[in-house]
Amino acid sequence: DAGITQSPRYKITETGRQVTLMCHQTWSHSYMFWYRQDLGHGLRLIYYSAAADITDKGEVPDGYVVSRSKTENFPLTLESATRSQTSVYFCASRRGQETQYFGPGTRLLVL
Amino acid sequence: EDKVVQSPLSLVVHEGDTVTLNCSYEVTNFRSLLWYKQEKKAPTFLFMLTSSGIEKKSGRLSSILDKKELFSILNITATQTGDSAVYLCAAQGAQKLVFGQGTRLTINP
Repeated sequence: DAGITQSPRYKITETGRQVTLMCHQTWSHSYMFWYRQDLGHGLRLIYYSAAADITDKGEVPDGYVVSRSKTENFPLTLESATRSQTSVYFCASRRGQETQYFGPGTRLLVL
Repeated sequence: EDKVVQSPLSLVVHEGDTVTLNCSYEVTNFRSLLWYKQEKKAPTFLFMLTSSGIEKKSGRLSSILDKKELFSILNITATQTGDSAVYLCAAQGAQKLVFGQGTRLTINP
């Protein structure tokens, strides 16, 4: 049971490049979420999705794009990476109002 | 605006002590209150509370929710160095989880 996975686990990129972070879950959970976690800010919601083809903005959506063509995948794209997007990114999923589970995280460094 | 506030933000105690972590929330369409433990990786689930006054227990950890006062506490008894972590409280609204800032707990031997 793979659960929820993220790839890559670590990424170094340069300012202005496009980067896509992948999230995959095997539970068929309807809800999926992307968070970023930075010192002093805790976990902040970037985007979430209630089902395939349904996405909505969270607290800090600027500079990010998401899509959800399949229930199990929820990629997050940084269209033109900036240094301020250096962070740890967590994907999460849940079924309905049940417990939300987190992926292992992707550590992104933008130079 | 939805918000979750945790206190204290940081706590240092000795092994064997009992600690109480606090979480207050104001979330529209509140459904449940969750506690997570985060060490140097992804948050791991501890408890989900939906009903007032019913304590949930797991070993030395316990938690309770007060929906009238919009408050939850997480208790850890007989603390061990392995309990050192950031403890996150999150309130579930209609769609989203709203997280608090976390309490950084350090257990000294």
